[in-house]
Amino acid sequence: EAGVAQSPRYKIIEKRQSVAFWCNPISGHATLYWYQQILGQGPKLLIQFQNNGVVDDSQLPKDRFSAERLKGVDSTLKIQPAKLEDSAVYLCASSSRVYEQYFGPGTRLTVT
Amino acid sequence: QKEVEQNSGPLSVPEGAIASLNCTYSDRGSQSFFWYRQYSGKSPELIMFIYSNGDKEDGRFTAQLNKASQYVSLLIRDSQPSDSATYLCAVSNSGYALNFGKGTSLLVTP
Repeated sequence: EAGVAQSPRYKIIEKRQSVAFWCNPISGHATLYWYQQILGQGPKLLIQFQNNGVVDDSQLPKDRFSAERLKGVDSTLKIQPAKLEDSAVYLCASSSRVYEQYFGPGTRLTVT
Repeated sequence: QKEVEQNSGPLSVPEGAIASLNCTYSDRGSQSFFWYRQYSGKSPELIMFIYSNGDKEDGRFTAQLNKASQYVSLLIRDSQPSDSATYLCAVSNSGYALNFGKGTSLLVTP
């Protein structure tokens, strides 16, 4: 079974630029999550999708972050415009049932 | 803000010893509790989850939960250098979305 795929793996941008991350969950997983992990901290949930509907986006900075999950499969997370404090690893995870959540390798974003 | 607290460490234990990792949480509505291991530069991987008070054992790992004290712990028996990693405690009130602590760095010395 293939794992959660993410791209790109690394991205360096200047502040005020925009960036997009892509996630392909494990086949058949209805629930998809985006987390932000700042160095030295635990992952913080940004948004949770159930199929292509949003379940929880309470911690998503909606003035600059957006996410979508078309057709209930792949998802993209966008930041526009980026700030220095957005430098982090962005982790995508998926699950098919409660208590099991599988993480992708993450995208490391550096904002200069 | 619902908090999950962990000692950042590093916690250093000799090879073969028992490593004890602790976590407290503030949300009394939390229903399920998870321990993830994260190697440097890698993504978190699930070690164990627990949702009932008491102990749950899986190989060298034992998770302990005390909901009255809002406390969850992870014991690693016969610690190996390959266990050196950051251990993340996470709680959930749904079993799905996770609220993570900052993690405890564990170093197992040969």
